[in-house]
Amino acid sequence: AQSVTQLGSHVSVSEGALVLLRCNYSSSVPPYLFWYVQYPNQGLQLLLKYTTGATLVKGINGFEAEFKKSETSFHLTKPSAHMSDAAEYFCAVSGASGGSYIPTFGRGTSLIVHP
Amino acid sequence: KAGVTQTPRYLIKTRGQQVTLSCSPISGHRSVSWYQQTPGQGLQFLFEYFSETQRNKGNFPGRFSGRQFSNSRSEMNVSTLELGDSALYLCASRPDRGRNEQFFGPGTRLTVL
Repeated sequence: AQSVTQLGSHVSVSEGALVLLRCNYSSSVPPYLFWYVQYPNQGLQLLLKYTTGATLVKGINGFEAEFKKSETSFHLTKPSAHMSDAAEYFCAVSGASGGSYIPTFGRGTSLIVHP
Repeated sequence: KAGVTQTPRYLIKTRGQQVTLSCSPISGHRSVSWYQQTPGQGLQFLFEYFSETQRNKGNFPGRFSGRQFSNSRSEMNVSTLELGDSALYLCASRPDRGRNEQFFGPGTRLTVL
């Protein structure tokens, strides 16, 4: 069994401020973890992923996330928010189900960026 | 490579009707999954197809069905539409059934009146 909890359905930051989106997971197998971004009326786009190895993962658009096994967390950060970062962000964990690795998604966090 | 494509992008139906949505995965991708996205329930897994066979199914009623063709293109069908079926339906593909990421299409926005 696997699950994802994203803390905060909405996060509001000022342009230029640090972005921190929180994700905690549970998984019965070593997890593969993903962050996706969704802009209005679009599908999900992969930001970054953790599989094995280095726990600090860098993604597109200046985002990065750190896998912390002891805390079962995979928080997403960006040092300086840009207006174009306003979107919905989804954390996902990939585990095993019937021989296939179907990811489980969190409920999403809406990032609001103020000028 | 071209991305995942979904048709139509927008659809309006009335209660009781049925609808068929189409998805063309990235070339070479054999696994196709379908998701329903609503503001209240978030992103919910419908089913996954691989090599023309349904491999996994989410917790949805039998009104929701799908199929996959030999070229990996997939369709999903919803019969006897209900108001609650109004949602964004997303298709995602990946090369196989492993733990790699999924590539999403833009979705089909279904509105049931």
